[in-house]
Amino acid sequence: NAGVTQTPKFRILKIGQSMTLQCTQDMNHNYMYWYRQDPGMGLKLIYYSVGAGITDKGEVPNGYNVSRSTTEDFPLRLELAAPSQTSVYFCASSESTGWSYSNQPQHFGDGTRLSIL
Amino acid sequence: ELKVEQNPLFLSMQEGKNYTIYCNYSTTSDRLYWYRQDPGKSLESLFVLLSNGAVKQEGRLMASLDTKARLSTLHITAAVHDLSATYFCAVDSIYNQGGKLIFGQGTELSVKP
Repeated sequence: NAGVTQTPKFRILKIGQSMTLQCTQDMNHNYMYWYRQDPGMGLKLIYYSVGAGITDKGEVPNGYNVSRSTTEDFPLRLELAAPSQTSVYFCASSESTGWSYSNQPQHFGDGTRLSIL
Repeated sequence: ELKVEQNPLFLSMQEGKNYTIYCNYSTTSDRLYWYRQDPGKSLESLFVLLSNGAVKQEGRLMASLDTKARLSTLHITAAVHDLSATYFCAVDSIYNQGGKLIFGQGTELSVKP
């Protein structure tokens, strides 16, 4: 059971370039999340999804886009990379236990370390 | 707005000592989570606390939740070097949909011989 898989693990981008961070989970979880973690800080929620076809903004969505065409996949898109987006990005998923909430822990991927120069 | 604050942010302990990490949050919540992160690694779930007075223990770590005080504690008993890591608490509000979590800043724990 692979859990949550993120690719790539490392990437260096130039300012203005675009890229997609991939995230896939094999636990059939409805809920998926994207976070960023800046050095010495906690995690900030970028976007989340409660199921295929449904996405919503988190705390820090500017400069990012997401899609959720399947239960398994939740890619994060950076359109015009900026130095402020240098960070470690974590994807997570959790099982929904109610119609709108979860009391299960989120399972995290290994992260993508992104540097923008 | 839901805010989560941890203290201390840095903690240097000697092996064998006890200490407590505190997690305060600002609005009504009914779900609190503790995670561990080793340097350069992902987050690992430690505890899920779902009700007032909940207490969970795993090895040398014990977590508790007081929803009236909006406070959770992570108590470390007889620390060992293997516990060195950063510990995060995270809170879900009853007003949230989608299981969104708000994380504290993290407590970096260093256990020295």
